[in-house]
Amino acid sequence: SAVISQKPSRDICQRGTSLTIQCQVDSQVTMMFWYRQQPGQSLTLIATANQGSEATYESGFVIDKFPISRPNLTFSTLTVSNMSPEDSSIYLCSVEFGFYGYTFGSGTRLTVV
Amino acid sequence: QKEVEQDPGPLSVPEGAIVSLNCTYSNSAFQYFMWYRQYSRKGPELLMYTYSSGNKEDGRFTAQVDKSSKYISLFIRDSQPSDSATYLCAMSDTDKLIFGTGTRLQVFP
Repeated sequence: SAVISQKPSRDICQRGTSLTIQCQVDSQVTMMFWYRQQPGQSLTLIATANQGSEATYESGFVIDKFPISRPNLTFSTLTVSNMSPEDSSIYLCSVEFGFYGYTFGSGTRLTVV
Repeated sequence: QKEVEQDPGPLSVPEGAIVSLNCTYSNSAFQYFMWYRQYSRKGPELLMYTYSSGNKEDGRFTAQVDKSSKYISLFIRDSQPSDSATYLCAMSDTDKLIFGTGTRLQVFP
């Protein structure tokens, strides 16, 4: 399966600032996925990022708040913009590798104060 | 009603016990069913994958899918302290996974 490096692993940020999370995959993949995992909640898909096209956002998530870049087939970034304490969560990137083999990064634990 | 329901636990069992973890779902179009294991401060890792109804066994782990009841299960035999983690069910009809909230399992020696 693919190996995903995600950074930073954790951060504490001031409200109103932005944080960019990086996701590097050791293989070329078509689609990369960004999830949010809030305490006591299920993983929620934020958006799907395809190389060379705009990301597709799920209901409740907008590009102005969560801009995504996908410059090539092994790398993607998710930015959490104008942060508030409600954005405190774990953010995970994921790739589909093989038939329904989804691999996840270790996650970025974000605390907004 | 959530698309996928999963008892959050926590579930605490002694080493060697048989563990049963379950999820129910409402979308009859789901065809792909997965169980992920997530250790603290780590991302989820795929444990079991099943297509449609039936059973699948892998070592101490058995996954069952009953599409008529919209119910899936994961059984862990001879549970070990290293099995202590959060277990998430996930399912899909196309290319988007829907996750349960996860069940926290603790196996004590």
